Amino acid sequence: SAVISQKPSRDICQRGTSLTIQCQVDSQVTMMFWYRQQPGQSLTLIATANQGSEATYESGFVIDKFPISRPNLTFSTLTVSNMSPEDSSIYLCSVMGGGYEQYFGPGTRLTVT
Amino acid sequence: AQSVAQPEDQVNVAEGNPLTVKCTYSVSGNPYLFWYVQYPNRGLQFLLKYITGDNLVKGSYGFEAEFNKSQTSFHLKKPSALVSDSALYFCAVRDNAGNMLTFGGGTRLMVKP
Repeated sequence: SAVISQKPSRDICQRGTSLTIQCQVDSQVTMMFWYRQQPGQSLTLIATANQGSEATYESGFVIDKFPISRPNLTFSTLTVSNMSPEDSSIYLCSVMGGGYEQYFGPGTRLTVT
Repeated sequence: AQSVAQPEDQVNVAEGNPLTVKCTYSVSGNPYLFWYVQYPNRGLQFLLKYITGDNLVKGSYGFEAEFNKSQTSFHLKKPSALVSDSALYFCAVRDNAGNMLTFGGGTRLMVKP
């Protein structure tokens, strides 16, 4: 299984500001995924990030709001831009394992005031 | 479009009793099915998966799940619950043609001493 770390683990931000979340994997992976988990809810896929290409965003998520970088096969960042209280969520990065399962990072708990 | 339903928001069980957390799915083609557990303030941990083969799959921490194609179900089970099993459980499905993992709404398991 992959070991995934995320920074920061949590943050409290003011509305209108931006936060960049980092995701580091201990092995090279082709695809990385970013999810959002709003309070008390399930996980929703934000986008899929492949190294060397633009991220693919799911319906309801746009690049201007959630820009993603994928500079190499072990690292990705997700930025939450121009934040509002509705962006308060846990953000998780994920990678595919060798047997079709996905592994998840510990998450970044974001609170926007 | 694929979907997952977890009909129970919460399941309560006494320690030592068997537990079942229900999951039904809808997907085109053959399903890849997964169970994840989320402990408070933690990321998601992979428990078990069904890809092909034996309908009864065994996973971590003594959990198992039974794939039932005719009922499109993949219920999570454990013969004897522990208080430490108390957590949020998510069922997820992926079709065998794509990469997107779709999650159910989650079921909170409460095991009482």
